Amino acid sequence: LAKTTQPISMDSYEGQEVNITCSHNNIATNDYITWYQQFPSQGPRFIIQGYKTKVTNEVASLFIPADRKSSTLSLPRVSLSDTAVYYCLVANQAGTALIFGKGTTLSVSS
Amino acid sequence: NAGVTQTPKFQVLKTGQSMTLQCAQDMNHEYMSWYRQDPGMGLRLIHYSVGAGITDQGEVPNGYNVSRSTTEDFPLRLLSAAPSQTSVYFCASTQGLAGEGEQFFGPGTRLTVL
Repeated sequence: LAKTTQPISMDSYEGQEVNITCSHNNIATNDYITWYQQFPSQGPRFIIQGYKTKVTNEVASLFIPADRKSSTLSLPRVSLSDTAVYYCLVANQAGTALIFGKGTTLSVSS
Repeated sequence: NAGVTQTPKFQVLKTGQSMTLQCAQDMNHEYMSWYRQDPGMGLRLIHYSVGAGITDQGEVPNGYNVSRSTTEDFPLRLLSAAPSQTSVYFCASTQGLAGEGEQFFGPGTRLTVL
């Protein structure tokens, strides 16, 4: 199983771009990278997923370098409502082997 | 659709008691899973199921049993609760292959074992 490491916490201000990096040095060939957001007293919620290069959706971008040993979640122009814990997940395609990072607490101030 | 539902929301047990955490989904997803979340530890996989009648162990299965008799339900049983099982438990479901799909999480069950 790939071990995942991410910063414990990050601070930002409204309107800034935030980049959260997760390292997963032992990632396997058929592993996917997914990011989740979690608010207090709620279950995690899917943000974005990728396998390689760059993926973008309406809320975030995910950058994965060619060696896939890390991934960066990019949140453009954060707002107060983006204050949450963000988790990276590395999982094989079948979901039989998966590891969540320990989470990054993002605090956004005005 | 209700999505993924979990009951109860809160539970207090005494050491040695048994109980079942209920999880149900109405999205016809094949893959379901149970996680526990402890402070500073992220989410750890307890058990998962790729379809009715099929279950397997995750990273931290000791002390927990599961069964999957229907597509909709995936209960988690604690046979003899221990204080180390004090945690927040999340159930999730995914359509298709879990590793490359979006997992939908329930609201969680907060369990305290005294």
